[in-house]
Amino acid sequence: KAGVTQTPRYLIKTRGQQVTLSCSPISGHRSVSWYQQTPGQGLQFLFEYFSETQRNKGNFPGRFSGRQFSNSRSEMNVSTLELGDSALYLCASSLGPTWTQNTEAFFGQGTRLTVV
Amino acid sequence: AQSVTQLGSHVSVSEGALVLLRCNYSSSVPPYLFWYVQYPNQGLQLLLKYTTGATLVKGINGFEAEFKKSETSFHLTKPSAHMSDAAEYFCAVSDRSGLTGGGNKLTFGTGTQLKVEL
Repeated sequence: KAGVTQTPRYLIKTRGQQVTLSCSPISGHRSVSWYQQTPGQGLQFLFEYFSETQRNKGNFPGRFSGRQFSNSRSEMNVSTLELGDSALYLCASSLGPTWTQNTEAFFGQGTRLTVV
Repeated sequence: AQSVTQLGSHVSVSEGALVLLRCNYSSSVPPYLFWYVQYPNQGLQLLLKYTTGATLVKGINGFEAEFKKSETSFHLTKPSAHMSDAAEYFCAVSDRSGLTGGGNKLTFGTGTQLKVEL
């Protein structure tokens, strides 16, 4: 069974531009979460979508947004890029809540965004 | 708010030696605790998790962790380290968060880089 697919794997953008990252969850998974990983701040939760609705949101500025489509694929968008947005962006999908016994969040390999 | 603290950003062990990676949590509600491993240029892989029930949790690759409520700890151990265990390890906590209490927000620790030497 295919895993979580994130595209593109690597991206270089200029300050001030905007970027869209894509995440295709495992087939049948309706929950998609996004995380930002940087050396300074570590892994930080961005937001979670479930059945096209944003169910949870982290403490990031409004420049960070996302959406989920009816096929559960998700995109996140960052507008007006800043140098500090350079990070590995990870997407995770799950069948249900990860705090239940038999549910696991599966992570993609991430998109490495570099802002110059 | 929930949080986890991982003591030691870098841990070095000899091959065959005990691995002990420390994690302490802070939570006002019963926590759900996880350990993830990340290899270079890869995503995260779940090693094990504690939700309810038995406090000693066994995971993949010979790892296990014990939930100790009195110590607010969830340390990860492996009896004998292997070279392939060299990676970064993250402890995380979750709760029933979000709009409907069914959310999947994970709060991660800062990570521990494990080095295994011959």
